[in-house]
Amino acid sequence: SQQGEEDPQALSIQEGENATMNCSYKTSINNLQWYRQNSGRGLVHLILIRSNEREKHSGRLRVTLDTSKKSSSLLITASRAADTASYFCATQGYAGNNRKLIWGLGTSLAVNP
Amino acid sequence: NAGVTQTPKFRVLKTGQSMTLLCAQDMNHEYMYWYRQDPGMGLRLIHYSVGEGTTAKGEVPDGYNVSRLKKQNFLLGLESAAPSQTSVYFCASTDAGQRGREQYFGPGTRLTVT
Repeated sequence: SQQGEEDPQALSIQEGENATMNCSYKTSINNLQWYRQNSGRGLVHLILIRSNEREKHSGRLRVTLDTSKKSSSLLITASRAADTASYFCATQGYAGNNRKLIWGLGTSLAVNP
Repeated sequence: NAGVTQTPKFRVLKTGQSMTLLCAQDMNHEYMYWYRQDPGMGLRLIHYSVGEGTTAKGEVPDGYNVSRLKKQNFLLGLESAAPSQTSVYFCASTDAGQRGREQYFGPGTRLTVT
C-alpha cells in the first residue's frame, strides 16, 4: 500500500528556478528517503533524513522533515535541465516494520532550458 | 563494482509462457527486493528476501515466485504470464540495519506480455 503522497504530481519550471516537492505520510517513521528516476532508468537514492532530524542538505538539494505534520519537502535550487526526472519519497518504519520501504507515487519534474 | 544488475533488459512473452528474471548484486547486501512499476502506480513490492534461503510476499505477489539460493542473486519467476504482468520490473538491494539504509536499484527489465 502506498503511504507517501507526493505533491504536486507534475511540475514544470524554467532552468535556474527552484523546484519544491512535498511528501506526506501516515504512520510513524524511522526515516524518510528521496529518490530520483530518470526516464527509463532505475531509481537513484538522493538523501535520507531520520525522524530526529529536521533539515538536511546535499549539494543543491535541501530536505526538511516535519514529523508533527507527517510531511517532508524536497527543494532543488538553481534547477538544471538535467534535473528533469521523477522524484519519489519513501518511508521506513521502526524495528519489526523496517524491512520494506513504503513508496509514494512520485512527482514528475520538467526543467525547461 | 557493478552494483545491481538485471537480466534481461527487455522481453516479450506470449500469454501462458514462463520466464525468469535474474537480479545480481555485488555489494554483499542482505536484503533484496522485486518491484513492478506501472504508469500512475508508483513502485509496488512483489516479493522480498532478508537473507539467503528466505523470501516473503510483498504487496502484489500473485502470479510470481522467487528464490534466493545465493546471497548475491534473487530470481523472479513468472510461471504463466498474463497481459496484466506487462510492466517494468526493478530489483533493489540494501544492507540490513536498524538505522535504515538506502536501496540500490538495478536498471530494470521491460516486460511485455501479448
